[in-house]
Amino acid sequence: EVVMTQSPATLSVSPGGRATLSCRASQSVSRNVAWYQQKPGQVPRLLIYGASTRATGIPARFSGSGFGTEFTLTISTLQSEDFAVYYCHQYNNWPPWTFGQGTKVEIK
Amino acid sequence: QIQLVQSGAEVRKPGASVKLSCKTSGYTFTAYAILWGRQAPGQGLEWMGWINPGSGNTKYSQTFQGRVTVTSDISATTAYMEVTGLRSGDTAIYYCVRDNGFFDFWGQGTPVTVSS
Repeated sequence: EVVMTQSPATLSVSPGGRATLSCRASQSVSRNVAWYQQKPGQVPRLLIYGASTRATGIPARFSGSGFGTEFTLTISTLQSEDFAVYYCHQYNNWPPWTFGQGTKVEIK
Repeated sequence: QIQLVQSGAEVRKPGASVKLSCKTSGYTFTAYAILWGRQAPGQGLEWMGWINPGSGNTKYSQTFQGRVTVTSDISATTAYMEVTGLRSGDTAIYYCVRDNGFFDFWGQGTPVTVSS
């Protein structure tokens, strides 16, 4: 099973600031990583797939990078609606499909 | 537009079973697998079962092996998941998602509460 480890658990950022979220896989998953955003009481929303491709309708301030075992999600200029929990997900070696435990981006 | 619409909230007693549905529309049902997962309060996402409606092939998480059954009805473009032997730890929101490799479309979630 591929274990996905996200860091930090909580990230405090000022509105307009930059957020950098990390996700590490326990073994290589090539570029088969997706990122999701989840706000309280809402369904997770796909942001990024293939490590760096933005899903339809996702603003350009969201970007993803990485290959193999190290992945990053960057939010370049945080808007109020971006404060949420973010999950990474590997779909290279399945089953099982595995997710990180989440990073909460909160207002500083 | 692509939609996955799940059945409504359920309340069950410990030991009971529940069958959830996921009605899809807007795409070719047999071209994509459906994955079922759940999210307990304050927790991350956990996969439970998977079905390829085109082939009928299924896969199950070892955590739930024997308690979960996933099925599909091609004519109704609907996927189902039955969970048996419910316990309080099964209280969660249950999701169906379209498997495009990544999970691009999600149902709205079905809250399941298990309580005596």
